[in-house]
Amino acid sequence: NAGVTQTPKFQVLKTGQSMTLQCAQDMNHEYMSWYRQDPGMGLRLIHYSVGAGITDQGEVPNGYNVSRSTTEDFPLRLLSAAPSQTSVYFCASSYSRDTSGNTIYFGEGSWLTVV
Amino acid sequence: QKEVEQDPGPLSVPEGAIVSLNCTYSNSAFQYFMWYRQYSRKGPELLMYTYSSGNKEDGRFTAQVDKSSKYISLFIRDSQPSDSATYLCAMNQGGSEKLVFGKGTKLTVNP
Repeated sequence: NAGVTQTPKFQVLKTGQSMTLQCAQDMNHEYMSWYRQDPGMGLRLIHYSVGAGITDQGEVPNGYNVSRSTTEDFPLRLLSAAPSQTSVYFCASSYSRDTSGNTIYFGEGSWLTVV
Repeated sequence: QKEVEQDPGPLSVPEGAIVSLNCTYSNSAFQYFMWYRQYSRKGPELLMYTYSSGNKEDGRFTAQVDKSSKYISLFIRDSQPSDSATYLCAMNQGGSEKLVFGKGTKLTVNP
């Protein structure tokens, strides 16, 4: 069972470079999201999607773009990387957009360093 | 005031100890309360969830919610070294796609 798969696991970028973090889920989940996790800050929602073609901003969306062309995939794009985007990124999915009591499944994380 | 406050620890206990992990929150609309466990260099995984006030038990784990005090707890009985992880509380008000997470408490259980 693959669950939520993220690639790459580790990446070093130079300031100003762009890149895409890939996320795929094989559970036919409606809801997908991206979080970043920073020391002392906890998990913060970047963007989320409630279905193919529908995305919305979370708590910290600036500097990131997302799209959802299929149910399975939800890539996160860094447009022009900044050192402040050094973080661990988690993709997550859930059966329903209503996360109340619904299990959110997280990927294993992508460690990104911007130098 | 942050919506959810959680003491980051770290918390270090001997094997077999009873562990108490806690979160406080400010939004009285929160109805659903969850605990996630995150092992080092892994993604969080749902451990338990409760709705509204009360207790819920699952093996060695007990989740407790006191809405009047805006306070939730996770108790771990007979703690094991395999319980060593970061524990994150999370909550929302129902019908929402957005979860609010605590910062997590790092727990180490020493053999």
